[in-house]
Amino acid sequence: GAGVSQTPSNKVTEKGKYVELRCDPISGHTALYWYRQSLGQGPEFLIYFQGTGAADDSGLPNDRFFAVRPEGSVSTLKIQRTERGDSAVYLCASSVHRGNTDTQYFGPGTRLTVL
Amino acid sequence: AQSVTQLGSHVSVSEGALVLLRCNYSSSVPPYLFWYVQYPNQGLQLLLKYTSAATLVKGINGFEAEFKKSETSFHLTKPSAHMSDAAEYFCAVIGKTGNQFYFGTGTSLTVIP
Repeated sequence: GAGVSQTPSNKVTEKGKYVELRCDPISGHTALYWYRQSLGQGPEFLIYFQGTGAADDSGLPNDRFFAVRPEGSVSTLKIQRTERGDSAVYLCASSVHRGNTDTQYFGPGTRLTVL
Repeated sequence: AQSVTQLGSHVSVSEGALVLLRCNYSSSVPPYLFWYVQYPNQGLQLLLKYTSAATLVKGINGFEAEFKKSETSFHLTKPSAHMSDAAEYFCAVIGKTGNQFYFGTGTSLTVIP
């Protein structure tokens, strides 16, 4: 079956621009997560959705970052006024439902480069 | 708070040799622990997970890990390395709220023919 997909796979933008990163979770998965992975580091949690609502956004670094999931399926991570420090791989994951032991299935990521 | 530490950012083993990747955890609550593997240009794939059942957990591709509370460890092992095992490996602990993973910094495994 189809896994988690993310588009685009690569995004190059200039400092100060606005970008949107898209995540298509596995069909039927109610929980969706965004992580950011910087070079040489493990993924860092950004935000978690249960259905349409952001249940935990404690990992968003500042108010330039925002994410939505209006219909409880596809999610978009939005970054305003991008900075060079935002360059990283942005990972999306989904799970059947929220639970400590639920397996999170990860997409291949979007590599964001801010020049 | 929860965290994991992976000792050794790079590990090299010969093909057919034992693979041992180290992970130590810190958790204020009973932990749930995971190992993920990341192949180049691919997403993270679950290898195995510990969820307070058996302390010796068997995963895919011949990997296993043992939860040792006394040592706060969850090391990943495989008896005989294959060339296809070359990848980045991440240990992770689930957060107290159960919403997020805390990942280690990863260990890059190289398999020498």
